[in-house]
Amino acid sequence: GQNIDQPTEMTATEGAIVQINCTYQTSGFNGLFWYQQHAGEAPTFLSYNVLDGLEEKGRFSSFLSRSKGYSYLLLKELQMKDSASYLCAVPRGGFQKLVFGTGTRLLVSP
Amino acid sequence: DGGITQSPKYLFRKEGQNVTLSCEQNLNHDAMYWYRQDPGQGLRLIYYSQIVNDFQKGDIAEGYSVSREKKESFPLTVTSAQKNPTAFYLCASSTRQLSYEQYFGPGTRLTVT
Repeated sequence: GQNIDQPTEMTATEGAIVQINCTYQTSGFNGLFWYQQHAGEAPTFLSYNVLDGLEEKGRFSSFLSRSKGYSYLLLKELQMKDSASYLCAVPRGGFQKLVFGTGTRLLVSP
Repeated sequence: DGGITQSPKYLFRKEGQNVTLSCEQNLNHDAMYWYRQDPGQGLRLIYYSQIVNDFQKGDIAEGYSVSREKKESFPLTVTSAQKNPTAFYLCASSTRQLSYEQYFGPGTRLTVT
């Protein structure tokens, strides 16, 4: 089966950098997704990593280490609108079935 | 504009009543999914469908039913057998491409009293 662990909550200040970690245990690895979800809204796709290393997309970067079962999402130059939950997810038993972590709620303060 | 629609946004029902949540997509995606989200918890998979006229149970299918008669539509019925139906329900769809990114609808918040 799959287990995914993320911190429950993090706080940071505007303009800072924050790293949200995700560890996973999976019987077969087919990539790792990060989604952003604002309160009461739908999750939106941020990144997909299938190979080791860092992928950068503007202010957001995602890192993967398959040997360590570890990923992180790095958010730079934090803005108030980045206050949201960040969900880590891995496919299970076939690419289309995602297992989600409980999410990390990030609160950005002025 | 392409996307996924769910209706209604808020739904209230009395205990013992069945209720059907709508999900429609015009992204030409083959696969569709229903998730349930409770406060402080991650998304849990209720049912999914990889192709028209076929669907599979997810992790928490008890008390729910679905149909997939059209590629664009994947309605979810919450039956009276579902013990704790009050939740935020999210529908999603995806292609079969490598990244398998899922696109989500805006969700339906169901309250059963």
